[in-house]
Amino acid sequence: QQPVQSPQAVILREGEDAVINCSSSKALYSVHWYRQKHGEAPVFLMILLKGGEQKGHDKISASFNEKKQQSSLYLTASQLSYSGTYFCGTESTSYGKLTFGQGTILTVHP
Amino acid sequence: NAGVTQTPKFQVLKTGQSMTLQCAQDMNHEYMSWYRQDPGMGLRLIHYSVGAGITDQGEVPNGYNVSRSTTEDFPLRLLSAAPSQTSVYFCASRAPGQDTEAFFGQGTRLTVV
Repeated sequence: QQPVQSPQAVILREGEDAVINCSSSKALYSVHWYRQKHGEAPVFLMILLKGGEQKGHDKISASFNEKKQQSSLYLTASQLSYSGTYFCGTESTSYGKLTFGQGTILTVHP
Repeated sequence: NAGVTQTPKFQVLKTGQSMTLQCAQDMNHEYMSWYRQDPGMGLRLIHYSVGAGITDQGEVPNGYNVSRSTTEDFPLRLLSAAPSQTSVYFCASRAPGQDTEAFFGQGTRLTVV
């Protein structure tokens, strides 16, 4: 079963912040985040593990609430280059089975 | 390193035809997966493999077959193509473990008429 992402779409101006949420009905071992530009393949952003700490680099960070089986991706001071579709991927009890959400389309305007 | 290579990049099939989408990786990754991407549906898992000789179904396996005879290759077979299989297909690979990132191929855009 696919994790559920919200919102489905976000429109921002440069410099604004955004939060993308990902939730699962299953117990999770890890949550992955990827970004896909139009016409390209998804590209890895970060992984959060059960029992791990909040991660981040530059102005993009993420958290993982194991009890609620939820993860959030935080984009601060957005840049034009942040535009794209963001996917969360989850891995539960089946090793090697990485299941993705339906995606969140992020558009950043000047 | 080439990473994950998918062929072909584009394909048009007639309903009922069969074909194989190829996926090869040169990173010695044990885990490989096939996804299809449709507007508003995200990336849906078709089949996945955790090593040579081991495959399992994902969320949308009907109409697709896979096999994994080598670590490097993970072909996806459509036995009798249907218009509902029109989609963009992505192959991905990653090393074993829950803290390893997935590397995606560039995708195959398939149209079934």
